[in-house]
Amino acid sequence: QKEVEQDPGPLSVPEGAIVSLNCTYSNSAFQYFMWYRQYSRKGPELLMYTYSSGNKEDGRFTAQVDKSSKYISLFIRDSQPSDSATYLCATLFNTDKLIFGTGTRLQVFP
Amino acid sequence: EPEVTQTPSHQVTQMGQEVILRCVPISNHLYFYWYRQILGQKVEFLVSFYNNEISEKSEIFDDQFSVERPDGSNFTLKIRSTKLEDSAMYFCASSEDREEIGELFFGEGSRLTVL
Repeated sequence: QKEVEQDPGPLSVPEGAIVSLNCTYSNSAFQYFMWYRQYSRKGPELLMYTYSSGNKEDGRFTAQVDKSSKYISLFIRDSQPSDSATYLCATLFNTDKLIFGTGTRLQVFP
Repeated sequence: EPEVTQTPSHQVTQMGQEVILRCVPISNHLYFYWYRQILGQKVEFLVSFYNNEISEKSEIFDDQFSVERPDGSNFTLKIRSTKLEDSAMYFCASSEDREEIGELFFGEGSRLTVL
């Protein structure tokens, strides 16, 4: 069973739309969940992280974890063309090892 | 803004050759990592390094791989005898401490092509 699963997309939305990106994970022991953004030909950069269940908001971005269903979400409000990138969900294993999903490619068109 | 830098950006090598990928982590960071991403696949953990020793490694990180911090600033990944399946983008990352959970700063990657 894959540890973190993510729909690869691509997801194409118009500017201003609300975007919902999702992942599922298999191991209920996972506690920390992250969202990384990766622009083309660049390394991943951390957007947000959450611990256990609940929501965390940062500007236009909201991360949500539902541990009962092992579901991780990232919402982007008022999406912009500059948000076009691949979004990677990840969880932390043994404090040293990030386990990534495959990434969802998002395109926001003007 | 401080950043992780990696060289070379792209290296082409013949199967069986040795390759060294170099990274300069952010200067006050203490934890160093290598990840790789085969085209179209997930970013995968290879190894973590702290206090001049490997703290964790994945099953991918076999005897053909080694890491070193030779001079207090560079952090290198060596592949002794490259195989076709080593072709991937290799990302170096660093973090300040473990309290910053999951906050790894990644370089732009070194693309390795093995022919």
